[in-house]
Amino acid sequence: DVKVTQSSRYLVKRTGEKVFLECVQDMDHENMFWYRQDPGLGLRLIYFSYDVKMKEKGDIPEGYSVSREKKERFSLILESASTNQTSMYLCASTSIRGDRDYETQYFGPGTRLLVL
Amino acid sequence: QKEVEQNSGPLSVPEGAIASLNCTYSDRGSQSFFWYRQYSGKSPELIMSIYSNGDKEDGRFTAQLNKASQYVSLLIRDSQPSDSATYLCAVNWEAGNNRKLIWGLGTSLAVNP
Repeated sequence: DVKVTQSSRYLVKRTGEKVFLECVQDMDHENMFWYRQDPGLGLRLIYFSYDVKMKEKGDIPEGYSVSREKKERFSLILESASTNQTSMYLCASTSIRGDRDYETQYFGPGTRLLVL
Repeated sequence: QKEVEQNSGPLSVPEGAIASLNCTYSDRGSQSFFWYRQYSGKSPELIMSIYSNGDKEDGRFTAQLNKASQYVSLLIRDSQPSDSATYLCAVNWEAGNNRKLIWGLGTSLAVNP
């Protein structure tokens, strides 16, 4: 079974703090994604990466950065946390190899971040 | 702008009934279509994927795809209270090595005992 893990389930931070969210997958997937999910707004893509050290902006990259130094790990960084970044953050991964299911995204359990 | 649209609901059905969830998409080039289920406070989990026109059945779930009309639907037969969740429709988008999914906002389903 594919396993995607995230470093924290719940996190409380202060405005202005630098926040690191980590995601690790164990299936040698090439593509990894960071989303945030808010009521009424659905899943919104922040950044994705299709290879080590490669990154692409998603729909809402402002205020975020990412790092992918190893294939299995994709980190989301909030450079200076703000209250409007309070949200559920979801990491996902997918493979580009294999059969037609390659776009299936496997999600981690999510990190609920509260910025005070 | 690539879009995927779903009725937000809530869709309420009695236990044992058929629940019908619909999704339309804007990109005619899309080839892969997915239904995910998300329980409150949890992450999305894949229920069905479908790639060809027609029906695909898996247990109580049937996905239906019509590329000409650009819609995909999910039928849940013999609905159970445990099916109460938000159902997300997702459609692929790709350009070169970049592959991502475009997500609908989800339909909330309530199955009443």
